[in-house]
Amino acid sequence: GAGVSQSPSNKVTEKGKDVELRCDPISGHTALYWYRQRLGQGLEFLIYFQGNSAPDKSGLPSDRFSAERTGESVSTLTIQRTQQEDSAVYLCASSSRGSGGASTDTQYFGPGTRLTVL
Amino acid sequence: AQSVTQPDIHITVSEGASLELRCNYSYGATPYLFWYVQSPGQGLQLLLKYFSGDTLVQGIKGFEAEFKRSQSSFNLRKPSVHWSDAAEYFCAVDPLTLGRLYFGRGTQLTVWP
Repeated sequence: GAGVSQSPSNKVTEKGKDVELRCDPISGHTALYWYRQRLGQGLEFLIYFQGNSAPDKSGLPSDRFSAERTGESVSTLTIQRTQQEDSAVYLCASSSRGSGGASTDTQYFGPGTRLTVL
Repeated sequence: AQSVTQPDIHITVSEGASLELRCNYSYGATPYLFWYVQSPGQGLQLLLKYFSGDTLVQGIKGFEAEFKRSQSSFNLRKPSVHWSDAAEYFCAVDPLTLGRLYFGRGTQLTVWP
């Protein structure tokens, strides 16, 4: 597609339920990132996929959070046993960053999924 | 601690006035630097970026930013603000090769007609 797409755009769930958030990156982009934006705050890095390399999971806040990516396409962020503090906008970005070395490639962001945990 | 600081949470300017949004970072090496804009209901859009070379960087929508190594700053400027510039602005850094961006908390810009 023309840009990064995310679904759903909004998700309301009850505390303790599991949720899955989807990201479709720009075609051909090898790198994919997930960020979280809490109300009134900047974006927090969650996880980074680069090609077939092991993902950088260093930003995941707890073991309730996990993410997968199928090849160089779709990614799913899963939050298990959601808590109210998980309420945020979850943003996905992709770039054509090559493996190894410093990146000069721009990250293009999707519109985000607004998650509300009641 | 390593961080990105945007000291102004909210700025209000009149249309046609000049604008400067501040950003400071605290990383040992010179990171890659970015400014993004987020309009209501929209994703983040890249305004400009600095990797190396000329410390004055031109971006889209008439924005520019200047990297000052001695001050660890990367302030965003626009000589004449338009009402459509009202949005939230985020400074971000990539501390080389990490493949992730660290963001400031954002500055909300309000433009008076």
